[in-house]
Amino acid sequence: EDKVVQSPLSLVVHEGDTVTLNCSYEVTNFRSLLWYKQEKKAPTFLFMLTSSGIEKKSGRLSSILDKKELFSILNITATQTGDSAVYLCAAYYGGSQGNLIFGKGTKLSVKP
Amino acid sequence: DAGVIQSPRHEVTEMGQEVTLRCKPISGHNSLFWYRQTMMRGLELLIYFNNNVPIDDSGMPEDRFSAKMPNASFSTLKIQPSEPRDSAVYFCASSLATGGSNQPQHFGDGTRLSIL
Repeated sequence: EDKVVQSPLSLVVHEGDTVTLNCSYEVTNFRSLLWYKQEKKAPTFLFMLTSSGIEKKSGRLSSILDKKELFSILNITATQTGDSAVYLCAAYYGGSQGNLIFGKGTKLSVKP
Repeated sequence: DAGVIQSPRHEVTEMGQEVTLRCKPISGHNSLFWYRQTMMRGLELLIYFNNNVPIDDSGMPEDRFSAKMPNASFSTLKIQPSEPRDSAVYFCASSLATGGSNQPQHFGDGTRLSIL
């Protein structure tokens, strides 16, 4: 069965800390991996990773994919309270735009 | 630029009633997706359209659920009759499918549905 597993399920840190969120996947005919941030409403797109070992970076957030070990990490440095959210990982598989499977998410709480 | 627009934002109704959720995708996007999100099961794909045609509805839970996309700028998800276990947040998302490459899906703010 195709699946995406995220860890930890929840995490509480203090402002200024660095966090690493994990995502492992087991899908048939993997295509790419996506990270989303979900606050109160819509998941908002962060990164899409297709190639192994190439880091994608946006401000204090960065992500990398390891297609050999079938996982990805999302790093957030110098965390701020505004980083508090659920971070979702999803994997595209197969040839269809509809084949996107999501993990359950990691709930990050950043305390002042 | 306008994102994906969903309505209503919240819906509370009694079991047995018909519920219709609406979605306007991002202009120019040719793929549209309906998801359901619950604490227990996370985000689950219900159905997806490409160029207004339903491609995969294997995630639709049962015959009480139906979805239509009459044109490129509008889609509906209907539940009839509704049941308390249908209570969830329903998201619509859209993307631009280009050949064989996957593109990020962009989500609306969702409809929080409560069936009493």
